[in-house]
Amino acid sequence: QVELVQSGAEVKTPGASVKVSCKVSGHRVTQLAIHWVRQAPGKGLEWLGSFDPEDDETIYAPRFQGRVTMTEDPSTDTAYMELSSLRSEDTALYFCTTEAGHSWGQGTLVTVSS
Amino acid sequence: EIVLTQSPDFQSVTPKERVTITCRASQSIGSSLHWFQQKPGQSPKLLITYASQSISGVPSRFSGSGSGTDFTLTINGLETEDAAAYYCHQTSSSPLTFGGGTKVEIK
Repeated sequence: QVELVQSGAEVKTPGASVKVSCKVSGHRVTQLAIHWVRQAPGKGLEWLGSFDPEDDETIYAPRFQGRVTMTEDPSTDTAYMELSSLRSEDTALYFCTTEAGHSWGQGTLVTVSS
Repeated sequence: EIVLTQSPDFQSVTPKERVTITCRASQSIGSSLHWFQQKPGQSPKLLITYASQSISGVPSRFSGSGSGTDFTLTINGLETEDAAAYYCHQTSSSPLTFGGGTKVEIK
């Protein structure tokens, strides 16, 4: 059973960057496709992108291309998602999840406010 | 980008009733369609994978059907604990997308 534990809430000012971590247990992060999904307050789910270890390829949703970077640290079985040039519309709960949503992290609230 | 259109947006249902939620894709996605339940303050939970495959631990009252562009999530005999938002999600092609969600309320 894969378990995902994310880092704590963040408060950022507009224009800053945020880096959210997702610690994997029960499996090696290098053997998983980790996806990142966000949910703005009271809204639906939105896919940001994913890293596929089989292809060694990272795919980003077009609207986040250039602002989002997804990486992994095999030594600690941790995945990371960094979002830059933050604006108020990026305020959301950010989730890491495995392929087809079998396992989810608890979510990390990112608040962007001046 | 594949757009997933869910209906209805909201449904108020009496316990033990049958609930049907539909998800229509803007182009064929085969069976690469998954259903999630999300309760307030919680992460989404996978209910059905690849259109109709059940998930271990999920009550048997939840079932899925469909292929191509039209999909259905059925809850046979709604229970009070099923009050939640339900989302469909396609993994056929990038960018992956979600439906807008259906909120199910218990009368």
